[in-house]
Amino acid sequence: QLQLQESGPGLVKPSETLSLTCSVSGASISSSTYYWGWIRQPPGKGLEWIGTINYSGSTYYNPSLKSRVSISKDTSKNQFSLRLTSVTAADTAVYYCARDYYYNGGPIDSWGHGALVTVSS
Amino acid sequence: EIVLTQSPATLSLSPGERGTLSCRASQNVSSSYLAWYQQKPGQAPRLLIYGASRRASGVPDRFSDSGSGTDFTLTISRLEPEDFAVYYCQQYAGSPGTFGQGTKVEIK
Repeated sequence: QLQLQESGPGLVKPSETLSLTCSVSGASISSSTYYWGWIRQPPGKGLEWIGTINYSGSTYYNPSLKSRVSISKDTSKNQFSLRLTSVTAADTAVYYCARDYYYNGGPIDSWGHGALVTVSS
Repeated sequence: EIVLTQSPATLSLSPGERGTLSCRASQNVSSSYLAWYQQKPGQAPRLLIYGASRRASGVPDRFSDSGSGTDFTLTISRLEPEDFAVYYCQQYAGSPGTFGQGTKVEIK
């Protein structure tokens, strides 16, 4: 059974870099069938697709975040990671890692439990 | 960017009633690239329907969708207690993929 688990600091200072890792079990991120991505949800608000990475390492990002975001993968550990630079309070959100079928984030059939990241000094 | 607008923001219904949720796109979206999710408090969203009315694994058949072009509908034929939640539509026809702002289905 596929499981995704986010890990990383829950508190990040303004202007610093948010880093999260998603550990995948039950499937290989090297599979060409799927994409692996990140979605976020500010408290009490809706969902925003951040970006995805595919089996070959090609990445696709939401233009609204493209200048600050990078997604990478470590096939040997079956993990993929998110980095978001120059964070502000507006980046406070629950960050989900997920598996999806298309380069632009949909449909998403498996989600991690989510990691709350708060941006505050 | 394709903007999705969901209505109503909140739908107050009783168990056993029919729920009809709307999702309107700012430009044409193929129904093959529209999905619906359910989210309960403190949980990740759950995929319900995608790719031209395909139900995800384990989703009961009381959930169905319809629509084309810019207007789409999620129908819950008979609300069960576990169906009270927030529902999101998503389009992945264009990049970036975008979500609607959600419809909360609450117990009347």
